[in-house]
Amino acid sequence: GAVVSQHPSWVICKSGTSVKIECRSLDFQATTMFWYRQFPKQSLMLMATSNEGSKATYEQGVEKDKFLINHASLTLSTLTVTSAHPEDSSFYICSALSWDSNQPQHFGDGTRLSIL
Amino acid sequence: DAKTTQPTSMDCAEGRAANLPCNHSTISGNEYVYWYRQIHSQGPQYIIHGLKNNETNEMASLIITEDRKSSTLILPHATLRDTAVYYCIVGLSQGNLIFGKGTKLSVKP
Repeated sequence: GAVVSQHPSWVICKSGTSVKIECRSLDFQATTMFWYRQFPKQSLMLMATSNEGSKATYEQGVEKDKFLINHASLTLSTLTVTSAHPEDSSFYICSALSWDSNQPQHFGDGTRLSIL
Repeated sequence: DAKTTQPTSMDCAEGRAANLPCNHSTISGNEYVYWYRQIHSQGPQYIIHGLKNNETNEMASLIITEDRKSSTLILPHATLRDTAVYYCIVGLSQGNLIFGKGTKLSVKP
C-alpha cells in the first residue's frame, strides 16, 4: 500500500534552533501534501497545505514565517520550524495525496519535537 | 470545525465485532466519508472510505445510510491491537481532512 515516510521520528533541541522535518511519498507522486500538528490529548490540527511547485497555503493562526514549507518535488515536502521555542513542542504529522482521486490521503508516522 | 459527531469512547470484547457510529448530517453530495485510526504516538492509519455504497476491505466494513447522514464502521473481529482512536471524517476526494475528537475504542480481553 501507499507509504509516507517522515524523518526524523523525534528530535530534541535547544530553544532558538531551527528544525527541519522531511515528508516523503515512497511509492506514489504526491501532488499535495498537508502538515498537521497535534498537542497531547488533542486531535490533529491542519497547519498548511502544500502543492508541488507553489507556495503553501497556511491555516488561520499559523505563522508562515515561523513554519517554512517547501514542496520542491512530487515526492518530498519539508517543514522547517524556525527559531523554535518550548511552545512549539508538539507532534508534527504530514500526509500526502496523489493525483488519483480514488486514493485517500496517507499519513507519515509523525515527528515528536521537544524544545528545551 | 469537524463536520462529524462520534461517541467519545467505546469498549469492545476481543473477538467480537466493533461497531463505531458516526453522524454527518450536513454532508454534501460530493463529499466522501473517511475512516482513519490513530494508535498512540503514531500517525493516522487509513482504514476505509466511501461515497454512497457500502464498502468492505481487509480491515473493515463501512455502512452508509441511504440518506448519507450517518455511517458505521465495523471491525468484524476486534483484537487488542485494534485499540485506538477512530476518526470519522467527511471531505472532498482531493481536499484536506478536518479531524474531530474521534472515538477512543478500547478492546478488552
